[in-house]
Amino acid sequence: EDKVVQSPLSLVVHEGDTVTLNCSYEVTNFRSLLWYKQEKKAPTFLFMLTSSGIEKKSGRLSSILDKKELFSILNITATQTGDSAVYLCAVNSGNTPLVFGKGTRLSVIA
Amino acid sequence: KAGVTQTPRYLIKTRGQQVTLSCSPISGHRSVSWYQQTPGQGLQFLFEYFSETQRNKGNFPGRFSGRQFSNSRSEMNVSTLELGDSALYLCASSLAGAGTGAMDTQYFGPGTRLTVL
Repeated sequence: EDKVVQSPLSLVVHEGDTVTLNCSYEVTNFRSLLWYKQEKKAPTFLFMLTSSGIEKKSGRLSSILDKKELFSILNITATQTGDSAVYLCAVNSGNTPLVFGKGTRLSVIA
Repeated sequence: KAGVTQTPRYLIKTRGQQVTLSCSPISGHRSVSWYQQTPGQGLQFLFEYFSETQRNKGNFPGRFSGRQFSNSRSEMNVSTLELGDSALYLCASSLAGAGTGAMDTQYFGPGTRLTVL
C-alpha cells in the first residue's frame, strides 16, 4: 500500500527561524511529489518535484527530492507569522490518486 | 483564469438527510477529484472523475457517490448522513489526472464545510 509520512506533525517556531519539514514515501510507481500549504481552507500548490537533487525555490521556500532515499524536505527561511499553516506532502504514482501525508502544522509566533 | 469553485461553502444537515455538493473545475481541466478532510484522518480520497467516468474510488461506503457532467463540472452526493460525515469536502481539478500517467498538479477549491447534527 502506498504511504506518505510527514514529520514532525507539529512545530512551533519564532519569527526569523528556519524550519525544515520532512516527507518520506513508499509508492510502487513514483512519478512526482507535491507540496501544498493549507491555511484556512483550500490547499494551495507550492512545488512539484520529479527529479532527485534539483532544488525548487520560491522566495523563502525551497524544496528538494531524494529519490534514492525516498524523501523530500521543505525549507522555510526567515519565517513569518504568515507562514503559519499546515504543510501537506503528496505523491503521484501515475495510475492512482494522489496519496497525501497527514501534514505538518507549523505555528510561527512573533 | 478562474480557480476551482465549490458550492455551497457551508452546510448544516441532520442525521439521515442527504446532501449534494458541487464543484466547477478550472477551465480546460478534465479531471475532478474529491477528498474528505477531518482533523484526525487528514485528507482522504473519495473518488476521481475524468470525462464523465469514475476512474478511481477510495475506501468509502456506497452512501458516497458522485458524477461528472460533459462540461467537467462534478457533484458528489452523500445519502443517509451520519455524524461522522461532518468534515471539509475538497474538490481538486487537474488537466488529466491519475490513470493517464501524467504528472499532473491538482488545484483545490475552497471546500464545503459540512456539519451533521
